[in-house]
Amino acid sequence: DIQMTQSPSSLSASIGDRVTISCRASQGISNSLAWYQQKPGQAPKLLLSGTSKLESGVPSRFSGSGSGTEYTLTISSLQAEDFATYYCQQYFGTFWTFGQGTKVEIK
Amino acid sequence: QITLKESGPALVKPTQTLTLTCTFSGFSLTTSGVSVGWIRQPPGKALEWLALIYWNDDKRYSPSLKARLTITKDTSKNQVVLTMTDMDPVDTATYFCALPRYNNYIVHWGQGTLLTVSS
Repeated sequence: DIQMTQSPSSLSASIGDRVTISCRASQGISNSLAWYQQKPGQAPKLLLSGTSKLESGVPSRFSGSGSGTEYTLTISSLQAEDFATYYCQQYFGTFWTFGQGTKVEIK
Repeated sequence: QITLKESGPALVKPTQTLTLTCTFSGFSLTTSGVSVGWIRQPPGKALEWLALIYWNDDKRYSPSLKARLTITKDTSKNQVVLTMTDMDPVDTATYFCALPRYNNYIVHWGQGTLLTVSS
């Protein structure tokens, strides 16, 4: 099984802050990584795939990077609508696995 | 327009078998390359992938739950059915069905259905 470890599990930030969320795979996943945003009571929303490809309609303040086992989601300037929980997901293996999530809260 | 909607009981008792149905529109599960998956999320916890069925009837299951899961499709009804046996209170969760792109990451999600396992 490929395990995905996200950090931090939660963070507090202010509007305009730069926020970075990390995701570590237990083995190399060849950039087969997606990021989702989930707000309470809603299904997750795809933000990025293939590590860094922004989904249509997603603001450009979201970006992704990484390789091998280490991946990062960056929000360049946090906006009010970005307060949510973020999940990474690998799709390299035979089956998918998600990270434990990072909750972004208002400071 | 692609839509997916989950249906099933809101409450099941421990040891019972759960049957959930995903009814979809806007695509066909007979089209080469298409798959539909199930993911669940316990209250306040992370997402967990459960199962995936492909257009050619190939199936994939979470290794930790494989013994309890069965996924099937009915292409005439545009439905995918997930059954899970021997339900336990730890299976309490919102269950989502989803349409992945290229069988990899999920672009379209159902709204989810909350299931409680309790006696």
